[in-house]
Amino acid sequence: SQKIEQNSEALNIQEGKTATLTCNYTNYSPAYLQWYRQDPGRGPVFLLLIRENEKEKRKERLKVTFDTTLKQSLFHITASQPADSATYLCALDSDNYGQNFVFGPGTRLSVLP
Amino acid sequence: GAVVSQHPSRVICKSGTSVKIECRSLDFQATTMFWYRQFPKQSLMLMATSNEGSKATYEQGVEKDKFLINHASLTLSTLTVTSAHPEDSSFYICSARQPTEAQYFGPGTRLLVL
Repeated sequence: SQKIEQNSEALNIQEGKTATLTCNYTNYSPAYLQWYRQDPGRGPVFLLLIRENEKEKRKERLKVTFDTTLKQSLFHITASQPADSATYLCALDSDNYGQNFVFGPGTRLSVLP
Repeated sequence: GAVVSQHPSRVICKSGTSVKIECRSLDFQATTMFWYRQFPKQSLMLMATSNEGSKATYEQGVEKDKFLINHASLTLSTLTVTSAHPEDSSFYICSARQPTEAQYFGPGTRLLVL
């Protein structure tokens, strides 16, 4: 069965450092991989989408890599700030209509001042 | 970016009543809308997928007669929790997408059934 793992349930880092979150998957061939941020009591907020033929994508302080051979995506937040503290979810999608959209369990990131 | 709204953001109701939650895509036409439920400290659980003008596809274990979904247009989907009971209390989140694009999520609706 499909399985998505995110490196750890919780991650603490010091302000200013780079946070690196990992998403690994098995038994899945995603066409797209997406990263979301979720704050307590709120719906997920879309951050970045990377397609299977893309290796890397950047947006401001965020960077996502996608390695379909390793079946892994890395999500980096550079120069992290306390405001970046949230739960980060990776999600896989394998078709054009979201029928196989699957969330990972999430990593709760805490950026300490 | 794409915006999805939900209404109401919070609802408290008595056991046995029905509650309707609206989900709207404000600045794009969504071919597909999704409904999720999230319990505290757990990941989102997909309840159903709906395409405009057709019946919703429910995930295993989700009662379609309990959770009625109407996808009336390309910008509106509604979820009605019928005869709600305390165990239905949860955080309900909708999302919307166009083909090959990301899913955009609403802010969620917190339902408390007394």
